[in-house]
Amino acid sequence: DIVLTQSAGPLSLSAGDTVSLSCRASRTVGSNWLAWYQHKPGQAPRLLIYNAYRRASGIADKFSGSGSGTDFTLTISGLEPEDSAVYYCQQYSRSPWTFGQGTKVEI
Amino acid sequence: DVQLSESGGGLMQPGESLRLSCAASGFSFSSYAMSWVRQAPGKEMEWLASVSGGGSVTPEADPVKGRLTISRDNARKTLYLQLNDLIVEDTAVYYCARGDNDWYSNMYFVDWGQGTLVTVSS
Repeated sequence: DIVLTQSAGPLSLSAGDTVSLSCRASRTVGSNWLAWYQHKPGQAPRLLIYNAYRRASGIADKFSGSGSGTDFTLTISGLEPEDSAVYYCQQYSRSPWTFGQGTKVEI
Repeated sequence: DVQLSESGGGLMQPGESLRLSCAASGFSFSSYAMSWVRQAPGKEMEWLASVSGGGSVTPEADPVKGRLTISRDNARKTLYLQLNDLIVEDTAVYYCARGDNDWYSNMYFVDWGQGTLVTVSS
């Protein structure tokens, strides 16, 4: 299985800051098939990014994804209190699809 | 709007069987693969199994191999999960999630339900 390791959290940040969250894979994620999700307590997870850098429908351009191979990054600019959440990466290159442990971001 | 609503969770005893449902609305249900994903307390999300729009299923994840059945009823726009021989380690929030097309390969999850909590305890 591909193991995904994310930045340690929680990260305590201020409104207006920019944060880069890391996701490192134990082996190459083929075709850069990596997604990022935002998850707030009691809510459904929300897809932010797929194919490493493509924004999902309706997602603000303050969210951007980058990276390839084994190292991927989610960057959130202009942080707002409503961006407080846990952010997960997920690879869908090789079954079983696996998730990182999540990074909690607090604004 | 896409809506996915899980039901059927609750307190279960070890050895019992669990059946969860996920009612879908707001999209052409039969045109999309669906999956079950769970998250145990303090652990990462864990994909369990997927089913194509037409009902073909993936092998289930190792922790539930031989115990889990995923199925769907396209007429009722409902996804199901049956998990037998429950163990304490099955305690988790169970989510249903929609893929981006009708096949289950290389699947990311476009929409999710809010989840249903299953607690397995004697």
